[in-house]
Amino acid sequence: DAKTTQPNSMESNEEEPVHLPCNHSTISGTDYIHWYRQLPSQGPEYVIHGLTSNVNNRMASLAIAEDRKSSTLILHRATLRDAAVYYCILEYGNKLVFGAGTILRVKS
Amino acid sequence: GAVVSQHPSWVICKSGTSVKIECRSLDFQATTMFWYRQFPKQSLMLMATSNEGSKATYEQGVEKDKFLINHASLTLSTLTVTSAHPEDSSFYICSARNRGQNTGELFFGEGSRLTVL
Repeated sequence: DAKTTQPNSMESNEEEPVHLPCNHSTISGTDYIHWYRQLPSQGPEYVIHGLTSNVNNRMASLAIAEDRKSSTLILHRATLRDAAVYYCILEYGNKLVFGAGTILRVKS
Repeated sequence: GAVVSQHPSWVICKSGTSVKIECRSLDFQATTMFWYRQFPKQSLMLMATSNEGSKATYEQGVEKDKFLINHASLTLSTLTVTSAHPEDSSFYICSARNRGQNTGELFFGEGSRLTVL
């Protein structure tokens, strides 16, 4: 299974940008990179996904390295509601296999 | 956005009994649904892929006779935990993808918390 590596936790100040890194050195050419986040006792929520090019949506931006061995999720202005566990996931064979994720704490 | 609903959201049962959890896609059709389990302070673990009209595909180490999955329609998949034991207590989460999409957003249910006494 393709594997992702993320920092265990990160901390950010409210209203500041947050860059959440993810390494996926074993990614194959057809694996999509997904980001989901999860609040306690809730199901995960989709954030963004991409294949090769950088992606933007209303929630975040996804910057993908040229060699695709790493990516960064960018929250442009963190709010207290963005505090969650963020999972960087490689999709292969139509499946999403979750890694450990990064706990994001946002300070007011 | 598309909605996936699970029922019940929480259930308590006695050891040895069976528990059924339903997963419904409310406003789209899903030929494929996925079942995960999550222990406290841990990540989600993929249990099985549920395919409409055919047998589920289980991940390595997941007992198919213990965790029965049925996907009888394009909007409903069920997970039955048979002869439940305390170690089966966990947060069970389903997800689904819109029919015809092989990639893209996966919609997750709210989760079902099972406690086996």
